[in-house]
Amino acid sequence: QSALTQPPSASGSPGQSVTISCTGSSSDVGGYNYVSWYQQHPGKAPKLIIYEVNKRPSGVPDRFSGSKSGNTASLTVSGLLAEDGADYYCSSYVGGNAVVFGGGTKLTVL
Amino acid sequence: EVQLVESGGGLVQSGGSLRLSCAASGFTFSSYWMHWVRQAPGKGLVCVSRVNRDGSLITYADSVKGRFTVSRDNAKNTLYLQMNSLRAEDTAIYYCGRDLNAAVDIWGQGTRVTVSS
Repeated sequence: QSALTQPPSASGSPGQSVTISCTGSSSDVGGYNYVSWYQQHPGKAPKLIIYEVNKRPSGVPDRFSGSKSGNTASLTVSGLLAEDGADYYCSSYVGGNAVVFGGGTKLTVL
Repeated sequence: EVQLVESGGGLVQSGGSLRLSCAASGFTFSSYWMHWVRQAPGKGLVCVSRVNRDGSLITYADSVKGRFTVSRDNAKNTLYLQMNSLRAEDTAIYYCGRDLNAAVDIWGQGTRVTVSS
């Protein structure tokens, strides 16, 4: 199973919004509503910020939102804060009890 | 507190074996699917394996099929990853994670595996 496609980098200024895309196929992102997003700071374990396309775990600010259209999922971070600078990964269920991740996007807060 | 703690990582020669453990606490381990996810230095996340509640259904990434074996002991609240025929490209931090509808909602701190050639 091939990795999902994410842009390698994204950036925005404090207070702005930025959207990160995650493109797959009808066999993964487009076929299931089991897309999740993770935030990872250097040297730390990933943290779940969105699951089932648009649900936020308890404690995750509502500045983080998820959506999906066709074979592409998106993560939007609104009201950017300096602490939002991190790597972001998407993942999707691909059937057969398997999961695949995207290649990751490095978000820089300018 | 819900917690996952990995152990067993280290330095091993190419072709060698290693067994990782993941001790779970703070939740009913037997009620959850579990993941092993790895991250090579400077690279992204890769799902190595996903296992169902009783260990009867296990999926593996193509890159580890036939070399890695996942098991779980629900009585001991522990997940295992037996890694054989290790290669340099298996060098990574290995994380165990708790499944939430194909997402990973709880992550361990990771254990580092280095395979020397």
